[in-house]
Amino acid sequence: DTGVSQDPRHKITKRGQNVTFRCDPISEHNRLYWYRQTLGQGPEFLTYFQNEAQLEKSRLLSDRFSAERPKGSFSTLEIQRTEQGDSAMYLCASSPDQPTDTQYFGPGTRLTVL
Amino acid sequence: AQSVTQLGSHVSVSEGALVLLRCNYSSSVPPYLFWYVQYPNQGLQLLLKYTSAATLVKGINGFEAEFKKSETSFHLTKPSAHMSDAAEYFCAVIRNQAGTALIFGKGTTLSVSS
Repeated sequence: DTGVSQDPRHKITKRGQNVTFRCDPISEHNRLYWYRQTLGQGPEFLTYFQNEAQLEKSRLLSDRFSAERPKGSFSTLEIQRTEQGDSAMYLCASSPDQPTDTQYFGPGTRLTVL
Repeated sequence: AQSVTQLGSHVSVSEGALVLLRCNYSSSVPPYLFWYVQYPNQGLQLLLKYTSAATLVKGINGFEAEFKKSETSFHLTKPSAHMSDAAEYFCAVIRNQAGTALIFGKGTTLSVSS
């Protein structure tokens, strides 16, 4: 069990550029979650996958955001035409299977939009 | 809808003193409640989890929390603070009965002085 990994750990980009983040969940975890955390706040839910199916999206996930989990393993989160308001820590979590199973978090990707 | 409120954005204690971090929840159904800890520039680590099996839940690093339905509270305690406990602590509740997203409080920063 190597834990949830995320890449990159830090990303600095200019406003208007596209960025993509990757999350590798714990092996055999069926559920994968994306959260966003801004300074001084708790994480906020963005979206959730059960295997390869994206089952829920938050209203925070605007049209500029897209997430995929093509083979039910790793996931990517893409932000198009980044804005300064997108600057945040993006956290990925995975859990085994049941809705109330513990979610295990990765170290996060810190995005800074200049 | 479920929610949590953490009372006190910042708590300061001396090394060896009691730690008490407060969390109140709102839930229309029996809640699943969590405490997570976050060290600087890291992801979240689970401290403990309440799933209705027992009202007093013991977690890692000497922390415990007591579920009190009458007070809708789930406060986190530790008898004796260590310098290494300095971090940000988040209380969270599962969002709905189907158990998808975690809903987090705004967090409490714990400072420990020698």
